[in-house]
Amino acid sequence: EAGVVQSPRYKIIEKKQPVAFWCNPISGHNTLYWYLQNLGQGPELLIRYENEEAVDDSQLPKDRFSAERLKGVDSTLKIQPAELGDSAVYLCASSLGRREKRDTQYFGPGTRLTVL
Amino acid sequence: GQQLNQSPQSMFIQEGEDVSMNCTSSSIFNTWLWYKQDPGEGPVLLIALYKAGELTSNGRLTAQFGITRKDSFLNISASIPSDVGIYFCAGQTSYDKVIFGPGTSLSVIP
Repeated sequence: EAGVVQSPRYKIIEKKQPVAFWCNPISGHNTLYWYLQNLGQGPELLIRYENEEAVDDSQLPKDRFSAERLKGVDSTLKIQPAELGDSAVYLCASSLGRREKRDTQYFGPGTRLTVL
Repeated sequence: GQQLNQSPQSMFIQEGEDVSMNCTSSSIFNTWLWYKQDPGEGPVLLIALYKAGELTSNGRLTAQFGITRKDSFLNISASIPSDVGIYFCAGQTSYDKVIFGPGTSLSVIP
C-alpha cells in the first residue's frame, strides 16, 4: 500500500515569491494534516482536514498561508508571498479519521523549503 | 500552551549499548506516542501508549506511560547503527490534538 505522497521534495525560491506544496494521503484516510517542522524541532500542526472541511486551522498564518482539500482527497498548501522565516520542512500526514484516540497518523516525507 | 520537554537533547553511544530517553510535560495527556524520524523522511510511529502505567515493547524498544500521565520514557536495548535518527515523543489529549516534543538525536558509533 502506498504511503503519503508529497511533492515536490525540495523547493528553493526567492522571498516574496509564491510556493505550493501537494499531498496525496493514504487511500481511504479521511483526515489530513499539514505540519510545519523547523530545524531541530518537532512538527507543529498548521491545519487539519476532515474530508474536505478544515476543522482546525487555528495555527495557520492566514495572511500568507492558504490550504485546500478539494473532493476530500488531495490537498495543497500555498504560501504567498514567502518570507525568509518560512524556510522549513512541511509535512503532510493522514489518518483514518476515527473519532477515537487510537487513530494513528502516517506522515509523508515532507517538502523542504528554502527561501533565499 | 502545552509543551513537551525531551532529554537528553542528543546522545552518542557505542553500538550494543542500551539507550534511555524521556519526555516530560506540565500537562496531562491521555495518550503518549513515540516516533522516529530518519533524515529526509517523515516521522514513523514506533510505540503508542494509552493507559497510565502501561509498559509496551516493540522488538528492542520499550516505552512506558508515566503514572502521573505527565511523562513517558523510551528505552532501546542493544543499539545498532540503524537506530540512528531523531526520536520524538508526542502527547495526545484528544483524538485530534497531538503535541510533539523537540526530539532526541541519537548517534550510534559502530
